[in-house]
Amino acid sequence: DAKTTQPNSMESNEEEPVHLPCNHSTISGTDYIHWYRQLPSQGPEYVIHGLTSNVNNRMASLAIAEDRKSSTLILHRATLRDAAVYYCILRDVGSGTYKYIFGTGTRLKVLA
Amino acid sequence: NAGVTQTPKFQVLKTGQSMTLQCAQDMNHEYMSWYRQDPGMGLRLIHYSVGAGITDQGEVPNGYNVSRSTTEDFPLRLLSAAPSQTSVYFCASSPSWERTGELFFGEGSRLTVL
Repeated sequence: DAKTTQPNSMESNEEEPVHLPCNHSTISGTDYIHWYRQLPSQGPEYVIHGLTSNVNNRMASLAIAEDRKSSTLILHRATLRDAAVYYCILRDVGSGTYKYIFGTGTRLKVLA
Repeated sequence: NAGVTQTPKFQVLKTGQSMTLQCAQDMNHEYMSWYRQDPGMGLRLIHYSVGAGITDQGEVPNGYNVSRSTTEDFPLRLLSAAPSQTSVYFCASSPSWERTGELFFGEGSRLTVL
């Protein structure tokens, strides 16, 4: 299974953009990049996913490097409610393993 | 829609006892899975299923059994609980195992083994 590497923690000021990086140098051509976040004392929730092109939804944007070896989750205006652990995972739809493997994620702290 | 429902939310066991954590989803999802999350750690995959009658091991399957007799239910069994199994357990489901479907998580079951 391809692995992802994320910083353990990051801080951001409220109402400023946040760029959360993820490295996945061993990504294969059939791996989709998924992002989830986990608010305190809750189960993880889906944020966004993509394959090659940048993606936008109401929660965030996903920027994927041209070589796909890294990606960045962008929160355009961080709020206190965005304080959570953010997980970048690879979803392999080509190998037949069907596993979603989570790492340790990045703990985002938002400062008022 | 109730989504993914886990029961019980809290459980205390003694070492050697057995129990089953229940997980049910009402979204007709083919894919279901169980994770455990130890304090301050990320999620680790225990077992998963791509449909009724089909299950497979994840990263940390030892000490746990699963079965998938219906699309809706995916129970996790601890046959002989150990203190190392103290954790928060999350069940998750996804619309289709062969696509890029997002995972929907339950609220978690907090298990303490004394």
